[in-house]
Amino acid sequence: KNEVEQSPQNLTAQEGEFITINCSYSVGISALHWLQQHPGGGIVSLFMLSSGKKKHGRLIATINIQEKHSSLHITASHPRDSAVYICAPYTGNQFYFGTGTSLTVIP
Amino acid sequence: NAGVMQNPRHLVRRRGQEARLRCSPMKGHSHVYWYRQLPEEGLKFMVYLQKENIIDESGMPKERFSAEFPKEGPSILRIQQVVRGDSAAYFCASSPSTREQYFGPGTRLTVT
Repeated sequence: KNEVEQSPQNLTAQEGEFITINCSYSVGISALHWLQQHPGGGIVSLFMLSSGKKKHGRLIATINIQEKHSSLHITASHPRDSAVYICAPYTGNQFYFGTGTSLTVIP
Repeated sequence: NAGVMQNPRHLVRRRGQEARLRCSPMKGHSHVYWYRQLPEEGLKFMVYLQKENIIDESGMPKERFSAEFPKEGPSILRIQQVVRGDSAAYFCASSPSTREQYFGPGTRLTVT
């Protein structure tokens, strides 16, 4: 069983749509990261969460520690949001990684 | 403050050669993590180091792979006698603490 499950694996959206990516994990964590990986491979850390909710521009991330679940939302999606989004729970010593959600936003 | 730097960005090695990947953490960061991303797969943790110490190497293959983070200079991930299955993107991340991490651009290793 994978320690981290993300859904959906692939997502295609029209520009302007509201997008949700879900992440469930089974390990005990001290924090959880959402990462973005663009074609070409560079990785950017979007959020680090240990509780509640964070917002940065059009991106919102939430986490429910008791339910071991986190969501990443993108409001008013744009083609430049096209990337792979990776959920990464952190145990204190290491990260576990989801397989990623590949998002394509069509103009 | 420069970001995490990795070099080389692309590395081609023949089977049996050694590969050395370097990671210079952000200024003031004393924690370094190495990750591997195999083609069409997700990221996998390899090793977590602090200056002169390996903290967690539970993700490192038992043979041919080693990592160090000396008191001075970059962290080095060393792969001896490379095989085709080692072809992957290797990312390092640095951190000033044990939670937030900043990723480097990665080194893409191709073994021919």
